[in-house]
Amino acid sequence: AQRVTQPEKLLSVFKGAPVELKCNYSYSGSPELFWYVQYSRQRLQLLLRHISRESIKGFTADLNKGETSFHLKKPFAQEEDSAMYYCALSGRTGNQFYFGTGTSLTVIP
Amino acid sequence: KAGVTQTPRYLIKTRGQQVTLSCSPISGHRSVSWYQQTPGQGLQFLFEYFSETQRNKGNFPGRFSGRQFSNSRSEMNVSTLELGDSALYLCASSARTGSDTQYFGPGTRLTVL
Repeated sequence: AQRVTQPEKLLSVFKGAPVELKCNYSYSGSPELFWYVQYSRQRLQLLLRHISRESIKGFTADLNKGETSFHLKKPFAQEEDSAMYYCALSGRTGNQFYFGTGTSLTVIP
Repeated sequence: KAGVTQTPRYLIKTRGQQVTLSCSPISGHRSVSWYQQTPGQGLQFLFEYFSETQRNKGNFPGRFSGRQFSNSRSEMNVSTLELGDSALYLCASSARTGSDTQYFGPGTRLTVL
């Protein structure tokens, strides 16, 4: 069964510290993996997707097929990174996305 | 480009009633997906419409239905409302189907009393 797990509901780090938001998935096939972010009072928006291999706002995510993980990382957290982060996967047919339950990141000044 | 719009933004209904939610996608986008967001379950996929056809459906009862019009606008209907249907309903549009980036609307907050 398709499933996305984000084990941490809440995560707090100090400004300038490294941050890692964990995401594990189960999917029978080759999924597309995404990270979406929701800043306070804003809409859910795409942060990055694994096939583009981009670094957005300093965040990167590596797909580890062996560990079925897609952890989100940033070397130096900034206050403006405080937000809700959702990991999501999609099969290659259609736009049926499976979202994790989200991790609320707080960056302490 | 204008973003995804959803109407109404807030709704209060009572058990047993039915409700229709509307979503206008970004101009040129042909895929519209619907999600239910609750504190306990997070974001759960309801269905996707592409070119007026339902492409995918999540694991929700038949009380949840939708449709898409020729201008890509979509409506979602919930019949015989239950208390557990109280949630934020999000609509997302994308240009194509098939793992394409989704652009979300602000959501419709439905409260069932």
